Amino acid sequence: DAKTTQPPSMDCAEGRAANLPCNHSTISGNEYVYWYRQIHSQGPQYIIHGLKNNETNEMASLIITEDRKSSTLILPHATLRDTAVYYCIVRGHTGANSKLTFGKGITLSVRP
Amino acid sequence: AAGVIQSPRHLIKEKRETATLKCYPIPRHDTVYWYQQGPGQDPQFLISFYEKMQSDKGSIPDRFSAQQFSDYHSELNMSSLELGDSALYFCASSPSGWQNNSPLHFGNGTRLTVT
Repeated sequence: DAKTTQPPSMDCAEGRAANLPCNHSTISGNEYVYWYRQIHSQGPQYIIHGLKNNETNEMASLIITEDRKSSTLILPHATLRDTAVYYCIVRGHTGANSKLTFGKGITLSVRP
Repeated sequence: AAGVIQSPRHLIKEKRETATLKCYPIPRHDTVYWYQQGPGQDPQFLISFYEKMQSDKGSIPDRFSAQQFSDYHSELNMSSLELGDSALYFCASSPSGWQNNSPLHFGNGTRLTVT
């Protein structure tokens, strides 16, 4: 079962920041928070992941609360191509825990 | 950069036929994962392999089997196909499935249609 909770959908205006929330209140100390997105039946695309520190890469920023029970994915300047389903996933890294378990995800719609 | 290659991209089969899906991981990735995504559904984990051994198993029907070969490519074999097997099948790979924090990288999938 997915260990995360996300709103079903949100939208934002093109060029503005998109802040996608995720709750993972039962996360274990050795589990990472991963974000993937899926654009219209393409393969899921890796965005970013983190353990407890905030992370940033060329695609997005990941803000993890100090208690690690929630996080926010930030797309700093959303474009129409960012319209997709975004999945927040808690993942362990040992053996059988290394798979990704997808939940419902959040559908982000970027409007012109 | 090289990505995960899946073949074929599209496959049409009739009920009760068999199908074989192939996955070629990113070079130096030794762990492969298979997922099934039905229409309007989220990807569901089927099975994974690490160093040619099955490492985890999800909701994979007994009619399906998979293996990983010495060159790390993997094949998903599906027999006695049913209409409900129509779905997108994704393969993902990562380096060293045990004790690493490297992300999984997905291929673009095989769309299987059973008629």
